[in-house]
Amino acid sequence: GAVVSQHPSWVICKSGTSVKIECRSLDFQATTMFWYRQFPKQSLMLMATSNEGSKATYEQGVEKDKFLINHASLTLSTLTVTSAHPEDSSFYICSASAAGSTDTQYFGPGTRLTVL
Amino acid sequence: GIQVEQSPPDLILQEGANSTLRCNFSDSVNNLQWFHQNPWGQLINLFYIPSGTKQNGRLSATTVATERYSLLYISSSQTTDSGVYFCAVDGGRRALTFGSGTRLQVQP
Repeated sequence: GAVVSQHPSWVICKSGTSVKIECRSLDFQATTMFWYRQFPKQSLMLMATSNEGSKATYEQGVEKDKFLINHASLTLSTLTVTSAHPEDSSFYICSASAAGSTDTQYFGPGTRLTVL
Repeated sequence: GIQVEQSPPDLILQEGANSTLRCNFSDSVNNLQWFHQNPWGQLINLFYIPSGTKQNGRLSATTVATERYSLLYISSSQTTDSGVYFCAVDGGRRALTFGSGTRLQVQP
């Protein structure tokens, strides 16, 4: 149990286009999901906290108009990178924990974004 | 915010050797997890261990919450243990703050 999926696993796009990444909890409900970004050979940095049915909370320095987050249901959160530029190329990873729990967070397999 | 430091940053072992990875954190935590990130980027949950000791096969972990550190032990290392090991903590926000990781290379 406790499986989190992400789609797509990798994407290549042209500069100026938008890319949507989906994060799904497959066998549990998640009121809260988190989005992280990881640059090569670096650690994971939290971008935003996604709450079902309400606005996401963004970390300092993360542009909310560029990284649009929607958490429409208890099993799905989406991250849209708008007007992507080469500096947005990164590994994006989501995580989720079961509703009503403060315990283990489960991570998706990640999405590798390359902007040309 | 909470600070997480991991040591050593890099570690090279011969197959069969044992190792200890350390994670220090700057404040009390609700959650502490150890992860192994494989070459494809997937984070594999190793332990959820805000306090106490746990063991899973060749791996074990100990967290001493009062002294703000956690240790991950790897015994009889195998080449498949290679990768990056992360410690991550929840300092009350539910989101995890990650350490910088320990890059482990196990040589045959």
